[in-house]
Amino acid sequence: DQQVKQNSPSLSVQEGRISILNCDYTNSMFDYFLWYKKYPAEGPTFLISISSIKDKNEDGRFTVFLNKSAKHLSLHIVPSQPGDSAVYFCAAIPPNTGNQFYFGTGTSLTVIP
Amino acid sequence: GAGVSQSPRYKVAKRGQDVALRCDPISGHVSLFWYQQALGQGPEFLTYFQNEAQLDKSGLPSDRFFAERPEGSVSTLKIQRTQQEDSAVYLCASSLRLVNGDTQYFGPGTRLTVL
Repeated sequence: DQQVKQNSPSLSVQEGRISILNCDYTNSMFDYFLWYKKYPAEGPTFLISISSIKDKNEDGRFTVFLNKSAKHLSLHIVPSQPGDSAVYFCAAIPPNTGNQFYFGTGTSLTVIP
Repeated sequence: GAGVSQSPRYKVAKRGQDVALRCDPISGHVSLFWYQQALGQGPEFLTYFQNEAQLDKSGLPSDRFFAERPEGSVSTLKIQRTQQEDSAVYLCASSLRLVNGDTQYFGPGTRLTVL
């Protein structure tokens, strides 16, 4: 069963506007969440993370929001740039599993110049 | 510095053939992870190591899959008697410590195609 879900396979946004990528999870024990970005023929690269004790983490143009009661997190990119076009994966980590990641299925973001 | 490297980048195997996929993690990284990514899916956990010890192999799909990291650095994922359903990208990642939330650094992956 898929414990981490990204229900939007793709998203298109105009350059300069906000991109919002969503992720839902089912396991309330997850205590750490991350977003990774992936370009074709490359491995995923780390973008931003958030601990379950927080509800927001910001790094430059990227902000991750966590709503534990809704089991939902989102990634906001403001302003969006063409170089942001990639597949974005959210990942979640349960406690005491040796940092084992559970990934969503990914959302392909296209930023239109 | 050098990142995680994987070889080969692409592998085509005939059904029934054995394959070996190599991962060179970032120097000094204690933890090493293997993931399988099927087309259109996210990476799925296969197994992980802390140094040379394989601490969890619960994600390995069958006993045809075997992973090792004998000296605590380079790791090899071996698939015996490959089947068409083994076709996927195999990703390796390493992290400095075995701490929840520690960033995992991924290699570019090996794309395995089984004919």
